[in-house]
Amino acid sequence: DTGVSQDPRHKITKRGQNVTFRCDPISEHNRLYWYRQTLGQGPEFLTYFQNEAQLEKSRLLSDRFSAERPKGSFSTLEIQRTEQGDSAMYLCASSSGQGLEVEQFFGPGTRLTVL
Amino acid sequence: GENVEQHPSTLSVQEGDSAVIKCTYSDSASNYFPWYKQELGKGPQLIIDIRSNVGEKKDQRIAVTLNKTAKHFSLHITETQPEDSAVYFCAASPGGGADGLTFGKGTHLIIQP
Repeated sequence: DTGVSQDPRHKITKRGQNVTFRCDPISEHNRLYWYRQTLGQGPEFLTYFQNEAQLEKSRLLSDRFSAERPKGSFSTLEIQRTEQGDSAMYLCASSSGQGLEVEQFFGPGTRLTVL
Repeated sequence: GENVEQHPSTLSVQEGDSAVIKCTYSDSASNYFPWYKQELGKGPQLIIDIRSNVGEKKDQRIAVTLNKTAKHFSLHITETQPEDSAVYFCAASPGGGADGLTFGKGTHLIIQP
C-alpha cells in the first residue's frame, strides 16, 4: 500500500510566475487536504475535499490560490502570480471513511522557493 | 477558531529517560487530538491520537493523556532512543479529524546519547 505522493518535491520559481503542485492520495481515500508549513511552524490548514467537492477553505487561501480534485482522485494546487511570502512547504494529506472519526496521513510535501 | 499552544519548543533528554510535551487548546468543541512526528525533509507522520471520549491511550513507549476540563493534552515518550529525535506536533480538531487540523508550533526533541 503506497502512501500519499506529491509532485514535484521541490520547485524554485521567480516572483510573478504561476506554479502547480500535484497530490495523489492513498488509494480509495475519499478526503484530501492541503496544508502549508513555513520554517519553524506547524502546518496550517488551507482546504479540503470530500471526493470531488471542496468542502472548506481557510482564510489563508487567497484569491491567487486555487485547488481542484476533478475526478475525486488526485488533486492540484495552483498558485498564481507567486510572491516571496508564498515560499513554504505545501503538504497534502488524505483520509478514508464515511464517518467523522478519521486519521489524516501526510505526504512528503512540495517545497516552494520564490525568488 | 481553534488555537493550539505547545510547550516546550525544544526538549533535550538523555537516552533512556522520559520526555513529556504539553499542549493546550482553546475550542471546547474540539474532540480529536493527534500527535505527529516530523523528521527533516519529510512530511508529518501520525504516531498516536486520542478522542475526547477517553482520558488516556498508550502504544508501546508512547502515551497520550487528555484533560478536557483543563483543555490540555500531553505526549509521553518513555525509554527514549536516538531515533526518537525529531520535531513533534500536536493538533486539535472539532470534527473528529475529518476537517482541517489546527497544529501547535512544534517541539524539537533531542535525545542525548
